[in-house]
Amino acid sequence: NAGVTQTPKFRVLKTGQSMTLLCAQDMNHEYMYWYRQDPGMGLRLIHYSVGEGTTAKGEVPDGYNVSRLKKQNFLLGLESAAPSQTSVYFCASSNRPDYTFGSGTRLTVV
Amino acid sequence: KQEVTQIPAALSVPEGENLVLNCSFTDSAIYNLQWFRQDPGKGLTSLLLIQSSQREQTSGRLNASLDKSSGRSTLYIAASQPGDSATYLCAVVGEASGTYKYIFGTGTRLKVLA
Repeated sequence: NAGVTQTPKFRVLKTGQSMTLLCAQDMNHEYMYWYRQDPGMGLRLIHYSVGEGTTAKGEVPDGYNVSRLKKQNFLLGLESAAPSQTSVYFCASSNRPDYTFGSGTRLTVV
Repeated sequence: KQEVTQIPAALSVPEGENLVLNCSFTDSAIYNLQWFRQDPGKGLTSLLLIQSSQREQTSGRLNASLDKSSGRSTLYIAASQPGDSATYLCAVVGEASGTYKYIFGTGTRLKVLA
């Protein structure tokens, strides 16, 4: 049972480049989330999904887009990366009550 | 808007000490509170989940309590060990949150000295 898998684990982007982060869960969870974690800021919610085909904005959605075409996958896209998007990105899934997290993606934008 | 605060931000204790980590939240209408552990460069591992109808949960040397009315939770770690060194995060989800979104505190960074 893999749980929540994030790919890639590390990535360096140049300003203006685009990329997609993939989150895959094998627990048949309805809810999925993307957070970013920055020093001193804690985890902040970027976007989330309450089921296949649904997405919604979280606390810090600007500069990101998401898609949930299949229940098990939640994709986070950066269309034009900026240095301010340098962070560690975590995906989580839930079927209530608790959350399961992936191991994170460390993204650096130079 | 729900805000979650964890005090202290960092804590260093000698091995064997019992210790308490604090979490406070501004809106007492919560559905669940969950404590997580995060090791450096790693993801979050769930430690204890307290549902709104519960007062506490225990797992091994860990005990978490919840007082909704005062907006507080504590995580008690008994007989601390160097392996307990990590960052501890608490998170809450609101009662009215049909979207089940957790709001996180900024964590307490614990170091247990051998």
